[in-house]
Amino acid sequence: GAVVSQHPSWVICKSGTSVKIECRSLDFQATTMFWYRQFPKQSLMLMATSNEGSKATYEQGVEKDKFLINHASLTLSTLTVTSAHPEDSSFYICSARKAGTGAGYDEQYFGPGTRLTVT
Amino acid sequence: AQSVSQHNHHVILSEAASLELGCNYSYGGTVNLFWYVQYPGQHLQLLLKYFSGDPLVKGIKGFEAEFIKSKFSFNLRKPSVQWSDTAEYFCAVIPFSGGYNKLIFGAGTRLAVHP
Repeated sequence: GAVVSQHPSWVICKSGTSVKIECRSLDFQATTMFWYRQFPKQSLMLMATSNEGSKATYEQGVEKDKFLINHASLTLSTLTVTSAHPEDSSFYICSARKAGTGAGYDEQYFGPGTRLTVT
Repeated sequence: AQSVSQHNHHVILSEAASLELGCNYSYGGTVNLFWYVQYPGQHLQLLLKYFSGDPLVKGIKGFEAEFIKSKFSFNLRKPSVQWSDTAEYFCAVIPFSGGYNKLIFGAGTRLAVHP
């Protein structure tokens, strides 16, 4: 199988503080990981694509200085929400791309998500 | 704007009823199509996918989906649902524009199956 974990599963922090969320591929190497944000009753919105050893690619409208992404190894990507505010409260989901899983397409495996609440 | 639309936000069925969840997309050209499921408290899992070939795709747990290119649709079906199918279902599209392209998700449909 292909398992992706996230830590923590939920976190509450005070406004103005920073929070780090980890995404790990447990049994495969992932050169690419993706970070999504999901608001209640809405779809997953891609925030950024994280590539091992290089800078992340952010989607339009996502503040790169606020959502810092680091992909230092083939099994770990981190998302740091800096100076968090209540409007950053959301469900953050990562996925990891497993190379070689299909012709012309590498399947993404999703983590269980992290619920962030900023008070 | 280009998007993925799921028409039903919330569906309630009795066990053994048939299911059809609608999905339409607005991207032209080549697309890859997916249905994902998220059971309560669990992560997203792939139900089925369409790349090319037979437009009727069979997935896990008795689900199938039909790609109708002329209608830009990829509806999900199951002839007889079970209580264990209670979950949220997401349609997703990869519109090709060169290289590895990103998944674009619909808003999701929450299915509740009553015994």
